[in-house]
Amino acid sequence: DAKTTQPPSMDCAEGRAANLPCNHSTISGNEYVYWYRQIHSQGPQYIIHGLKNNETNEMASLIITEDRKSSTLILPHATLRDTAVYYCIALNYGGSQGNLIFGKGTKLSVKP
Amino acid sequence: DAGVIQSPRHEVTEMGQEVTLRCKPISGHDYLFWYRQTMMRGLELLIYFNNNVPIDDSGMPEDRFSAKMPNASFSTLKIQPSEPRDSAVYFCASSPFVYQETQYFGPGTRLLVL
Repeated sequence: DAKTTQPPSMDCAEGRAANLPCNHSTISGNEYVYWYRQIHSQGPQYIIHGLKNNETNEMASLIITEDRKSSTLILPHATLRDTAVYYCIALNYGGSQGNLIFGKGTKLSVKP
Repeated sequence: DAGVIQSPRHEVTEMGQEVTLRCKPISGHDYLFWYRQTMMRGLELLIYFNNNVPIDDSGMPEDRFSAKMPNASFSTLKIQPSEPRDSAVYFCASSPFVYQETQYFGPGTRLLVL
């Protein structure tokens, strides 16, 4: 599975959009980009995933560049409850054999 | 559905004691995973099951750790004997899909071994 690189921390004002970047320059054609987050003292929570098209669900949007070397998770209207560590993971869909590898992620702090 | 249920939520024990952590996955999920999280090592996969059968236990740190899944609605992770370095948060997760990357995590068990 491809290695991902994320900034260690970011701040965002409450009510503004939070844009979390992820680099995955070695991603292969059959690897998806997954995003999870972990709010303090809770288990990780699945957010969204995508292959090459932009994706949107009730939690967030995922923008993947055309060359697929990077992506951005967008929380359109961040709230204080979105303060968490966000993990970007690149892996083969169906071929991961359960091996979600959580790196250090980005610690997002949403401030009032 | 109540989500993945783990018990106990907190466990404090003394070195050398046996510890049993319990997990009830979401009904209908085919896959069950056990993870461990520490500040030093982050979140690590210990073992996972498919339809109650252990598939990959390469993440289990040593023979003191064992995991079972006697039926589709229950799994245990046992540490015997426990050591202070086993102190961590242990998460159970389950997945409903053939492709198991969309995992639903429980609240975790915070274990402290004195």
